[in-house]
Amino acid sequence: KQEVTQIPAALSVPEGENLVLNCSFTDSAIYNLQWFRQDPGKGLTSLLLIQSSQREQTSGRLNASLDKSSGRSTLYIAASQPGDSATYLCAVRHTSNTGKLIFGQGTTLQVKP
Amino acid sequence: NAGVTQTPKFRILKIGQSMTLQCTQDMNHNYMYWYRQDPGMGLKLIYYSVGAGITDKGEVPNGYNVSRSTTEDFPLRLELAAPSQTSVYFCASSFGVYSNQPQHFGDGTRLSIL
Repeated sequence: KQEVTQIPAALSVPEGENLVLNCSFTDSAIYNLQWFRQDPGKGLTSLLLIQSSQREQTSGRLNASLDKSSGRSTLYIAASQPGDSATYLCAVRHTSNTGKLIFGQGTTLQVKP
Repeated sequence: NAGVTQTPKFRILKIGQSMTLQCTQDMNHNYMYWYRQDPGMGLKLIYYSVGAGITDKGEVPNGYNVSRSTTEDFPLRLELAAPSQTSVYFCASSFGVYSNQPQHFGDGTRLSIL
C-alpha cells in the first residue's frame, strides 16, 4: 500500500531564506507526483507536476525534484516571501488506470517578514 | 472559466440527517473525485468516477454514496450523518488516465455534524 510522508509538519523561516520541503513515498510504481499549495480555508492549487520519467520541474522560484528509486521528492523555494506562507501538499499518482492521488499530510510554512 | 464548483461552502447538520454535496466541472474532464480532509491531515479519497455511469470506492467510502449521470456533475450523498463525518470535502477532476495534466480542485465544503 502506497504511503506518502512529508517532513517537517511545520516550518517557520525568515523572509528571503531558501528552503526545502521533503516528501517520501513507499511504492516507486508512480505515474507522476504533484505538489499543491493550500491557503487557509481554500482549495488546492497545483504548483508543479513531475512525470515519472522526469527528474525535476521548475516554475519561477519553485523547483521540484523526483528520485523514484529512493522514493523521494523535494520542493525547493528560493528567496522565500511572506506570500509563500501556506500548507504544501505532495501527492503521488499510481500507475493504475484510476488517476487516484495519495496525499501526504502536508507541511505548513510560515515566512516571517 | 469556473473550473470545479462545489456547493454549499459551509453546512451544519444534525446527527442522522442526510444531505448531498454538489460538484460540477466545466472542463469536460472524464475523471472526477471526492476527497475528505481532516484537520492536520492530507486528503483521503472517498469515491471516484472515470466517466458518466461509472463509479468506484476509494479509501474511505463508508457512509457515503455517489452517482455520475453526466460528465459535468458528481454529487456526494451522506445518508445518515455521523460526527465522524465532520470534515472538509473536496471535489476534483482531471483528464483521462494517459494525461499528465494535474487534477483541478474545488474550494471545498466545510461540513460539521453536531
